[in-house]
Amino acid sequence: DTAVSQTPKYLVTQMGNDKSIKCEQNLGHDTMYWYKQDSKKFLKIMFSYNNKELIINETVPNRFSPKSPDKAHLNLHINSLELGDSAVYFCASSQDSATATIYFGEGSWLTVV
Amino acid sequence: DAKTTQPNSMESNEEEPVHLPCNHSTISGTDYIHWYRQLPSQGPEYVIHGLTSNVNNRMASLAIAEDRKSSTLILHRATLRDAAVYYCILRDVSTLGRLYFGRGTQLTVWP
Repeated sequence: DTAVSQTPKYLVTQMGNDKSIKCEQNLGHDTMYWYKQDSKKFLKIMFSYNNKELIINETVPNRFSPKSPDKAHLNLHINSLELGDSAVYFCASSQDSATATIYFGEGSWLTVV
Repeated sequence: DAKTTQPNSMESNEEEPVHLPCNHSTISGTDYIHWYRQLPSQGPEYVIHGLTSNVNNRMASLAIAEDRKSSTLILHRATLRDAAVYYCILRDVSTLGRLYFGRGTQLTVWP
């Protein structure tokens, strides 16, 4: 069983479309994250939820909206996709938001054409 | 952002030890030193972390300088599977799980 799983793994879509990436963790963790890795391989945090509450929103455009229906799931919705949104999006989770080890999913490769 | 400095790249031969350095001269007393690595086409993976004392686990060892301004990740016997980008990251409770990934060190392992 994959601890942090994301779907889809690959996504190619046109500019202007709306898409979602789903994430589930089966580790019983309280905290979940979305990270983005751009074409230059820089990896940066976007959002974090702790017990379904948003605790980090790292100046991400409001076209990006995370949704956490329960502690085990954190989905990422992206509206009006732009070319610059092309990146790899990683979901992650940890037992707490302090210094617990963070476990990452395998990534979702988003290409906007 | 808590700042760390790492060499862009390092090379090693298979089955040889690898010492990956990291400088963090502005580290605060509450910062833990974490190491993650990212294998090609995969998500980052936790390797090891420590505060003041040297640490060992099944993957690696972490040697922390006495003044805590630098640390070294030690892979005792490199394998081809250890080829990855290694990130040295400072964390404390206030970061709320933010991991500030720099460019890391690209480790190449030769057979």
